[in-house]
Amino acid sequence: DAGVIQSPRHEVTEMGQEVTLRCKPISGHNSLFWYRQTMMRGLELLIYFNNNVPIDDSGMPEDRFSAKMPNASFSTLKIQPSEPRDSAVYFCASSTMTGTGANVLTFGAGSRLTVL
Amino acid sequence: GEDVEQSLFLSVREGDSSVINCTYTDSSSTYLYWYKQEPGAGLQLLTYIFSNMDMKQDQRLTVLLNKKDKHLSLRIADTQTGDSAIYFCAESARSGGSYIPTFGRGTSLIVHP
Repeated sequence: DAGVIQSPRHEVTEMGQEVTLRCKPISGHNSLFWYRQTMMRGLELLIYFNNNVPIDDSGMPEDRFSAKMPNASFSTLKIQPSEPRDSAVYFCASSTMTGTGANVLTFGAGSRLTVL
Repeated sequence: GEDVEQSLFLSVREGDSSVINCTYTDSSSTYLYWYKQEPGAGLQLLTYIFSNMDMKQDQRLTVLLNKKDKHLSLRIADTQTGDSAIYFCAESARSGGSYIPTFGRGTSLIVHP
């Protein structure tokens, strides 16, 4: 397996533009997570899906952020409109979550977003 | 305060042992994890420990868990320059019926010759 695939790896955009980040999880994993990493806040969980259904989106900063998982092999994180304070590295991770065993996440390489 | 706390930096000499410490808050955490992040990459699992254990050893890595004090540590024996990275501690936080890793801010380990 190629691991968790994220695109784009780098995105530079202007304030007000729409940004879409994409993620392909590991085949067979039933859970998908979006995290944001910044120097100020560290690694924050934005949202996670279980079997393509959003379970907890309490970490999504505001209505400008939305995430979808239309099928088991694809998810998007959209920011519209983007603002400079959204600049961060966004990570997607997937796992086989059983509810009882260890929940070991496999991370993608991240998408570095810069909003000017 | 933060749920998982770690010191931000640790500097060691090559060949010495490194000890990275972490405190967490959720006493119901079933598993605790250590992840490693190299520059420009995502986090990668190093090891994890079940909450009813107090020690786990895996080659150069030793994890110690003090559940009473909610303290977790990672010891790297014979530290090499290739071990330079950011190390994240994570507890399992209850969320939506499942246990989701909640990460600390990471400890940057700098190994110098």
